[in-house]
Amino acid sequence: QIQLVQSGPELKKPGESVKISCKASGYTFTNYGMYWVKQAPGQGLQYMGWINTETGKPTYADDFKGRFVFFLETSASTAYLQINNLKNEDMATYFCARCDWYYWYFDFWGPGTMVTVSS
Amino acid sequence: DVQMTQSLSYLAASPGESVSISCKASKSISNYLAWYQQKPGEAYKLLIYSGSTLQSGTPSRFSGSGSGTDFTLTIRSLEPEDFGLYYCQQYYEKPLTFGSGTKLEIK
Repeated sequence: QIQLVQSGPELKKPGESVKISCKASGYTFTNYGMYWVKQAPGQGLQYMGWINTETGKPTYADDFKGRFVFFLETSASTAYLQINNLKNEDMATYFCARCDWYYWYFDFWGPGTMVTVSS
Repeated sequence: DVQMTQSLSYLAASPGESVSISCKASKSISNYLAWYQQKPGEAYKLLIYSGSTLQSGTPSRFSGSGSGTDFTLTIRSLEPEDFGLYYCQQYYEKPLTFGSGTKLEIK
């Protein structure tokens, strides 16, 4: 069955970096885009951007340009989100989600990775 | 950006009742609208896409309607497992945007 398995919760200090993984199984990894969505505590869902799993090209939403990096380990069917120079406002749960190339709704989601930023 | 508004943030209902959750887009998005359910400790689940098409596995008591700017998710004869958070999402254009969510609780 199709699964997106994310790495576990992270506790980081401001200024540090964090890397979140999203391992896909049950389908051909390169047939779907991988998207990232942020949910801050008590807040709604925010689209961060996506990575083309065929080409490795990332595309970032405006609020996520600069410190956020999407990359792949295609041989392991894994997508990564790295956040550099963490800030308090990065404290959130981050979801990966699979999406068709043409119709951008998410048919499978990872369970989320909670990132806590605290000094 | 397309703003998605779910006017009801909270809704309480009893098992067996029917409920409707609305979602309004700030501009026409045709039928490029999806609905998701989230339950504590579980991954988000796609319920409906294209405004009214049930995702495989979504029970038939769920239905979606609407086009343009106004959309509705209806759940007939609520089951205990239907309680949770519901979000709409437009995929007409990027950036993809979500409604703020409606929490459906047991009365």
